[in-house]
Amino acid sequence: DGGITQSPKYLFRKEGQNVTLSCEQNLNHDAMYWYRQDPGQGLRLIYYSQIVNDFQKGDIAEGYSVSREKKESFPLTVTSAQKNPTAFYLCASSVNRAGANVLTFGAGSRLTVL
Amino acid sequence: AQSVTQLDSQVPVFEEAPVELRCNYSSSVSVYLFWYVQYPNQGLQLLLKYLSGSTLVKGINGFEAEFNKSQTSFHLRKPSVHISDTAEYFCAVSDGGGSQGNLIFGKGTKLSVKP
Repeated sequence: DGGITQSPKYLFRKEGQNVTLSCEQNLNHDAMYWYRQDPGQGLRLIYYSQIVNDFQKGDIAEGYSVSREKKESFPLTVTSAQKNPTAFYLCASSVNRAGANVLTFGAGSRLTVL
Repeated sequence: AQSVTQLDSQVPVFEEAPVELRCNYSSSVSVYLFWYVQYPNQGLQLLLKYLSGSTLVKGINGFEAEFNKSQTSFHLRKPSVHISDTAEYFCAVSDGGGSQGNLIFGKGTKLSVKP
C-alpha cells in the first residue's frame, strides 16, 4: 500500500543536540511538508517542498532545516537553535485535485527534549 | 491571509446522539475546505473535502459537511456518533494549489463520545 513513513515514532534528545526526523513517501507526490503540532495550537507549517532540490520556509522555520535530494524523501533536522523543540511532528505529501493541494499525512514523530 | 476558526475546543456528546463541529473561515474569492480526523498519537486522516460542485459533501465514517459561502462556514455533522468517533477534528482551508495553496488549519475540536 502507498503511504508516508515517519521514523522514529518517539525520540528523546538532550538539550544542545541536533536530531533528524525521517519522512519517506511512495505515493509519487511532488510536494512534501513538515508540520509541528502542539496541544491546542493546531498544525503550524515548518517547511515545504514543491519539487526536488527546492524548498521554502513555512510560518515557523527558525531552528529547523530540511533537504529534498530525492522525490521520496524529505528529512527534517531540529537544530539546537530551536528553543522549544518538544512537540509532535507531522510529515505530509500532496497531490493536486481540481486545483487544490490534498494532503496525506504520516503517523508522526514525537520529540521530547530532556 | 486565510484564517480558520473552530468555535469549540471540546465537544462532549453521548453515544448515538447527533453532533455538529463548527468551522468558519475568512472570506475569499475561491476556497477549498477540508476536515481531517486525528486519533491519539496518530497522523491526520482526511474525512472529506469541498473542492467544487455540490455544497453538501459526504465523507468517510458517516460524516458530512455543508459549504455555506454566505456564512463562510463548513460545519461537520454526523447524525449518530459512536464511541469510536472519539478523536480530534481539524478544519482546514486553502486558496488554491501550488505554493499559494498551503493549508491553514484550525486549532482543532476534541470530540468525546460517552456511553
